[in-house]
Amino acid sequence: EDQVTQSPEALRLQEGESSSLNCSYTVSGLRGLFWYRQDPGKGPEFLFTLYSAGEEKEKERLKATLTKKESFLHITAPKPEDSATYLCAVQDPGGYQKVTFGIGTKLQVIP
Amino acid sequence: GAVVSQHPSWVICKSGTSVKIECRSLDFQATTMFWYRQFPKQSLMLMATSNEGSKATYEQGVEKDKFLINHASLTLSTLTVTSAHPEDSSFYICSARDLSGGVYEQYFGPGTRLTVT
Repeated sequence: EDQVTQSPEALRLQEGESSSLNCSYTVSGLRGLFWYRQDPGKGPEFLFTLYSAGEEKEKERLKATLTKKESFLHITAPKPEDSATYLCAVQDPGGYQKVTFGIGTKLQVIP
Repeated sequence: GAVVSQHPSWVICKSGTSVKIECRSLDFQATTMFWYRQFPKQSLMLMATSNEGSKATYEQGVEKDKFLINHASLTLSTLTVTSAHPEDSSFYICSARDLSGGVYEQYFGPGTRLTVT
């Protein structure tokens, strides 16, 4: 069974204090790893898809990287508006391509 | 692009009644739609997967007779919670995916908050 573990569960940063969120996974035949941002009371917002080890993607202050066992979401010089829960998910290689989500990292950026 | 809408955004119903939630992909055709529920401080739990024109595939432990899913067209899926009870109160979120371009990302709707009294 696919497993997705995110750490830390919660992270509090000062504005401008860079850090990284971790997502470790166990899945045979990774078809894709996804990062989403979720604000309270809203649906997740798609950020990135990574398909193979060594791949990196960037968007504004966020950069996602992927190895064979884990992915990192690096946040550079975060701002208060980056506060949200960040979810990691992996694509199941099975028949109907379901996605397994981690529990998320709740990020709070303090001004 | 890749916008998914849900309606209603919140609903309050009495125990024993049924509630229908709509999920629409607004600017793409969704070959597959997913329904999730999310409890406070927990992650998304997949309830079922549906492909247009086919019966939905339900996750273990999800009652298919209670949570009726209809994926009637490439842009619309509905979830009907039948004979709702207070324990069905939750945040229901749909997502949609278009695999025609070989892209695997799911795009999520804004969610529906269901409260059963």
